[in-house]
Amino acid sequence: RKEVEQDPGPFNVPEGATVAFNCTYSNSASQSFFWYRQDCRKEPKLLMSVYSSGNEDGRFTAQLNRASQYISLLIRDSKLSDSATYLCVVISNDYKLSFGAGTTVTVRA
Amino acid sequence: DVKVTQSSRYLVKRTGEKVFLECVQDMDHENMFWYRQDPGLGLRLIYFSYDVKMKEKGDIPEGYSVSREKKERFSLILESASTNQTSMYLCASSPEYNEQFFGPGTRLTVL
Repeated sequence: RKEVEQDPGPFNVPEGATVAFNCTYSNSASQSFFWYRQDCRKEPKLLMSVYSSGNEDGRFTAQLNRASQYISLLIRDSKLSDSATYLCVVISNDYKLSFGAGTTVTVRA
Repeated sequence: DVKVTQSSRYLVKRTGEKVFLECVQDMDHENMFWYRQDPGLGLRLIYFSYDVKMKEKGDIPEGYSVSREKKERFSLILESASTNQTSMYLCASSPEYNEQFFGPGTRLTVL
């Protein structure tokens, strides 16, 4: 079983829609969680950290469910510029870092 | 702004050649990483380094070695390139075990 798994998508949504997707992790002792964004043919860049209490950054909301071992990302009022691949990153308690394979989101006009 | 640079954006090599990929960061970060990214597999950690002259194996170190003689520079070496090492190679640096800053990547093709 992979340490971090994501639905690859693609999620095709119209502008203005809400889209949400999850990332599951296998190590219950994982301590830090992040969402990165990767545009086509570009390097990944940090989108946001995921805190235990959940956190928002504008139209983006990240949540952590430790009991079910997943993190989620929700994008409200989708823009064309949100089209990208979203990677989740999980850091274990012994500082092992694992990337998911990514979820592709395509926002259409 | 943190800047991570990689020596080449595109590289074509022949099977058996020795390949050097260089990565330089300008923010005095302790940690540096080398990943490869393949479709459907995501980023896989090859090696990382948390200090000068220190290195640790990642998930897929076979066929690779690294060198970190200076804090700002982390090199990935393919001693004898093979076709299954055709991939996108990404270097990253981070001050702690949190945000990673990535270079633009090197797309390596081994013929």
